[in-house]
Amino acid sequence: QVQLVESGGGLVKPGGSLRLSCVASGFTFSDYYMSWIRQAPGKGLEWVSYISNSGSSIYYADSVKGRFTISRDNAKNSLYLQMNSLRAEDTAVYYCARKQWLADYWGQGTLVTVSS
Amino acid sequence: EIVMTQSPATLSVSPGERATLSCRASQSVSSNLAWYQQKPGQGPRLLIYGASTRATGIPARFSGSGSGTEFTLTISSLQSEDFAVYYCQQYNNWPSFGQGTKLEIK
Repeated sequence: QVQLVESGGGLVKPGGSLRLSCVASGFTFSDYYMSWIRQAPGKGLEWVSYISNSGSSIYYADSVKGRFTISRDNAKNSLYLQMNSLRAEDTAVYYCARKQWLADYWGQGTLVTVSS
Repeated sequence: EIVMTQSPATLSVSPGERATLSCRASQSVSSNLAWYQQKPGQGPRLLIYGASTRATGIPARFSGSGSGTEFTLTISSLQSEDFAVYYCQQYNNWPSFGQGTKLEIK
């Protein structure tokens, strides 16, 4: 069965950096676009970024453009999100999801808290 | 940006009854509309895509309808496991989600 397991969340100060990871199993990872989607506490969902199966096409929400970098390692069935210059408004649960624009499987999420 | 508006914010329904959830888009999204279910501590689960197609393994009591700017998710006979938060999402262009409808036990 499809499984997506995120890790790397935690508490970081404003202006700091964090790298999230997602390990995929149960499907051929290299066949699929992958996405990061976040959910601020008590708020709605926001699509953050997605990457093509080869890694050659990448898109970001305007809210994170220039600060976040999505990447993948198909040999390790892994998806990453490097987050720099973090702000309080980046505080959220970050989900790894399969596909772009229409996520058919999601992980359980990892919490990122940006606070001094 | 396409703004998705869901109503009501909270819906109280008894088990076995029908629940109807609404979603409106600020401009036409054609049939590029999905519904997700989210339970506490879990990632969302895809229920419906293409406005009316059930995702793999989704029970027939879940149905979706609509096109353009007005959409509906109907759960025909509520089971205990259906009480959760439901989100609509458009994917006609950069994806955006509604704020959610919490379906609670009456």
